[in-house]
Amino acid sequence: DSGVTQTPKHLITATGQRVTLRCSPRSGDLSVYWYQQSLDQGLQFLIQYYNGEERAKGNILERFSAQQFPDLHSELNLSSLELGDSALYFCASSPASGVLYNEQFFGPGTRLTVL
Amino acid sequence: TQLLEQSPQFLSIQEGENLTVYCNSSSVFSSLQWYRQEPGEGPVLLVTVVTGGEVKKLKRLTFQFGDARKDSSLHITAAQPGDTGLYLCAGGDSSYKLIFGSGTRLLVRP
Repeated sequence: DSGVTQTPKHLITATGQRVTLRCSPRSGDLSVYWYQQSLDQGLQFLIQYYNGEERAKGNILERFSAQQFPDLHSELNLSSLELGDSALYFCASSPASGVLYNEQFFGPGTRLTVL
Repeated sequence: TQLLEQSPQFLSIQEGENLTVYCNSSSVFSSLQWYRQEPGEGPVLLVTVVTGGEVKKLKRLTFQFGDARKDSSLHITAAQPGDTGLYLCAGGDSSYKLIFGSGTRLLVRP
């Protein structure tokens, strides 16, 4: 158990809909990362937040947005969903300080299926 | 653009055999991490190496960081079916992001 929690575990929805994925980082970690992993694909970095502020953006679509709240949990919002958005979405957290500042610990993921 | 190339992409071996997975880049990284991922689950951090030339051992797994901090290897001795999974290397720099390799899929046959 990495200490990172994600909900829900599975999500099935229809095209055009909007969903919210939630992530709680490990206790003490200030940084949260979101990744997308499609079938047989590598991890695609979407976005990073540090202590409530956006720090880095990857290949995140304009239809996707995220935020990190004062209690450090984070939400990833996916809107106008398309079939191609079906994937595993992972959240990771890191301490973002110290020698091992960018060690990332992953949650169990949310499997999104868009029908 | 920083890239990490892993080789081989796929590896199918018999239980008890040894294997090495490589992770190479033209960029220098401040740290390098190895993860193992099982189907439908999140990657699990195996090790982090930060010093050029560093070698770390985790039971039957040996990890090495290249002297120039551009490459790394993972060696598994006497592989077991429980070692089956996707092995990912990831390089870190001062930007706090990790650059992930495309992964090596390992299958250890009983």
